Amino acid sequence: NAGVTQTPKFQVLKTGQSMTLQCAQDMNHEYMSWYRQDPGMGLRLIHYSVGAGITDQGEVPNGYNVSRSTTEDFPLRLLSAAPSQTSVYFCASSYSRLAGPKNIQYFGAGTRLSVL
Amino acid sequence: DAKTTQPTSMDCAEGRAANLPCNHSTISGNEYVYWYRQIHSQGPQYIIHGLKNNETNEMASLIITEDRKSSTLILPHATLRDTAVYYCIVYGGNEKLTFGTGTRLTIIP
Repeated sequence: NAGVTQTPKFQVLKTGQSMTLQCAQDMNHEYMSWYRQDPGMGLRLIHYSVGAGITDQGEVPNGYNVSRSTTEDFPLRLLSAAPSQTSVYFCASSYSRLAGPKNIQYFGAGTRLSVL
Repeated sequence: DAKTTQPTSMDCAEGRAANLPCNHSTISGNEYVYWYRQIHSQGPQYIIHGLKNNETNEMASLIITEDRKSSTLILPHATLRDTAVYYCIVYGGNEKLTFGTGTRLTIIP
């Protein structure tokens, strides 16, 4: 199994450009989420989804949109990139949002984004 | 408010047991304790989780105090590859799953 796949691995944008970070999982997981990690910091939750068609905001949702049309995919859209969005973005998935073994999170390798 | 408190950094000699503490004094009865680690800039990796009882797997042991207000992750024989940031998370299922800043563990040769 591929697990959680994120594309691209690296991206450089100019201020004001838009782009979509892709995340796909092949484990039939219901719960998917996006985090950002700034240098020397922990992970901050951007958006999450508990199933197809259902999304909700995390700690730092401003400037980002998400949608979940299929179980497998959970893309993150930057509407108008700003230098403050320079970060490493991680996508994660788990079988369920229920606490316990079904909530073990599997992470992708990350997308390193620079906004100039 | 943070649900967990961890030391910012720790050192451990190679081959010794690494004991990483975590305080979660406001934990609720239905909340689990999870541990993840992040090696360099890779995606975090699951280590272990528990509710009340102590747990052990091939990677580590988790000791949870009887009052559940704190826990300790134990890496029994630390190697250089265990150098990483370790995150302790408390999660009950109905809230946002958030990570703190973790403990930076450095294994010293």
